[in-house]
Amino acid sequence: LAKTTQPISMDSYEGQEVNITCSHNNIATNDYITWYQQFPSQGPRFIIQGYKTKVTNEVASLFIPADRKSSTLSLPRVSLSDTAVYYCLVGDDTGFQKLVFGTGTRLLVSP
Amino acid sequence: GAVVSQHPSWVICKSGTSVKIECRSLDFQATTMFWYRQFPKQSLMLMATSNEGSKATYEQGVEKDKFLINHASLTLSTLTVTSAHPEDSSFYICSASELGRENTGELFFGEGSRLTVL
Repeated sequence: LAKTTQPISMDSYEGQEVNITCSHNNIATNDYITWYQQFPSQGPRFIIQGYKTKVTNEVASLFIPADRKSSTLSLPRVSLSDTAVYYCLVGDDTGFQKLVFGTGTRLLVSP
Repeated sequence: GAVVSQHPSWVICKSGTSVKIECRSLDFQATTMFWYRQFPKQSLMLMATSNEGSKATYEQGVEKDKFLINHASLTLSTLTVTSAHPEDSSFYICSASELGRENTGELFFGEGSRLTVL
């Protein structure tokens, strides 16, 4: 399973766009990239998943460059409720279920 | 989305006792469930993979005789912390992927169970 590296923490203000970058230099050809969000004392929640280029859903966008050695989670116009830990994970479609969590990025959104 | 429920959400027990935590997939079936442990301010650590009808697969360093896992049906997995000690105090989280959609990469997590051993 490819190892991921993320910033330990980030600070932002309400209404701003937040971009969290994850490095995964050893990503394999079959690996997908998935992001999860975790609030204190709760289980993680799936945010978005992608393989290459750009993926967008109702809560976030995921940008993946051509070499796929990194990815960026983009949260548009964050609010206080977006304060959480965000995890980037990679895995292939055969062993994908076995997700190994890295350190995650602790995002703090202030008024 | 699919719902995974854990019970109890929190439990306090005396040192030396055993505690059972249940993980249920409420509206879907799951052949595989995963158990994680999370200490304060730390990431989730995968403990074991629970397979319906077979023995669980434990990660390196996790004592299988201390953390007993049973996956008796497609909707229920249990984790029993035997002879619990204060260092076992942690937040235990389970996850599951929906039968037939395992390759989508989307795992559904329970709310977690906070264990405090006195």
